[in-house]
Amino acid sequence: DVKVTQSSRYLVKRTGEKVFLECVQDMDHENMFWYRQDPGLGLRLIYFSYDVKMKEKGDIPEGYSVSREKKERFSLILESASTNQTSMYLCASSPPGDLRNEQFFGPGTRLTVL
Amino acid sequence: GDSVTQMEGPVTLSEEAFLTINCTYTATGYPSLFWYVQYPGEGLQLLLKATKADDKGSNKGFEATYRKETTSFHLEKGSVQVSDSAVYFCALSRGGGADGLTFGKGTHLIIQP
Repeated sequence: DVKVTQSSRYLVKRTGEKVFLECVQDMDHENMFWYRQDPGLGLRLIYFSYDVKMKEKGDIPEGYSVSREKKERFSLILESASTNQTSMYLCASSPPGDLRNEQFFGPGTRLTVL
Repeated sequence: GDSVTQMEGPVTLSEEAFLTINCTYTATGYPSLFWYVQYPGEGLQLLLKATKADDKGSNKGFEATYRKETTSFHLEKGSVQVSDSAVYFCALSRGGGADGLTFGKGTHLIIQP
């Protein structure tokens, strides 16, 4: 089975801190994604990557950056955390080609910014 | 831009009831359509998909048919179980390449014994 793991299930940070959320997948997938999930808003795409060192902005990239130095790892970075970034963050990966939209999700990281 | 609209929840049903969760979409081109399910405390899992008009996706007793004329992809199940309690998300593909998915807001389904 494809496994997508995220470094933390729960994280509490203070306003202004730099926050790293890590995601690792073990199926050699080219594509990786970061979403945030908020009640009443569903999932919104923050960034995605279709190859090492490549990144593309999603719908809500402001306040975030990403890093993909290795194929299996995709990091989401909050340069200076703010309270409105309190959310559930979900990482996903998918293979290339026709199956690229069959995404495999990690369990999520619930981030609280105080 | 593209969007997905789902019926608001929570939806509460008794075990063995018939389930319909409505989903309509707005999109340019011909997207693929998906239903994902999120069980408590877990990430999302792909439940079923349809890639072109009139396709029917099915899995675990759930079905949905891609209706281009009504821009809909309603999720149905003939007899629900308590274990089907979860949040269900309708989604569409965003276009060429690895552009990710556009999700609806999710429908929380509660099945009572």
